[in-house]
Amino acid sequence: GAVVSQHPSWVICKSGTSVKIECRSLDFQATTMFWYRQFPKQSLMLMATSNEGSKATYEQGVEKDKFLINHASLTLSTLTVTSAHPEDSSFYICSARERDMYNEQFFGPGTRLTVL
Amino acid sequence: DAKTTQPTSMDCAEGRAANLPCNHSTISGNEYVYWYRQIHSQGPQYIIHGLKNNETNEMASLIITEDRKSSTLILPHATLRDTAVYYCIVRVSRRVGGSNYKLTFGKGTLLTVNP
Repeated sequence: GAVVSQHPSWVICKSGTSVKIECRSLDFQATTMFWYRQFPKQSLMLMATSNEGSKATYEQGVEKDKFLINHASLTLSTLTVTSAHPEDSSFYICSARERDMYNEQFFGPGTRLTVL
Repeated sequence: DAKTTQPTSMDCAEGRAANLPCNHSTISGNEYVYWYRQIHSQGPQYIIHGLKNNETNEMASLIITEDRKSSTLILPHATLRDTAVYYCIVRVSRRVGGSNYKLTFGKGTLLTVNP
């Protein structure tokens, strides 16, 4: 099946710094990628949807200037958490939809962000 | 997208069938039923989806009632590795949903498979 990778798998950073998370589709072209956030013992919450070559669409309540998303190619999307604070500590998960495969999304393994 | 209702948790003995119910009484005609699962600290894994007919693949079977107001995911021979949170999601088809095809996750059912 289609494989989605994320890098890094975990990161610890100081408050006020920025962190970039990469999401890659390894064996297919992902026209659409999604970014989710999951706090402990809670469900996944969609943050934003990005289509290759266009600006991301953010869900209500998600600050687009804080969570910068770039989907510059059909196999790579990045999420940058700018000026991270402890409350941004969470599990960030991306998913990707293959071109013409409308009914399936493939999820990455997630990135654990801890802000000190 | 229609909301779903699932039990918070279920237990199952290893080797037995696990039957996970989902209510989606407000589902509309163009909405599919999807099942994903999430093993602890991993990304969700797609299991199966269907519209109105029962579906089966190498992982599970999906039984959808005739009125489509509920469905059951069946893991025929549960193993310890099937312990996970199982999410039932309903979502519009691509003909209506446009290009984004968002998945909205609820709280899911924590299935614990016991030895």
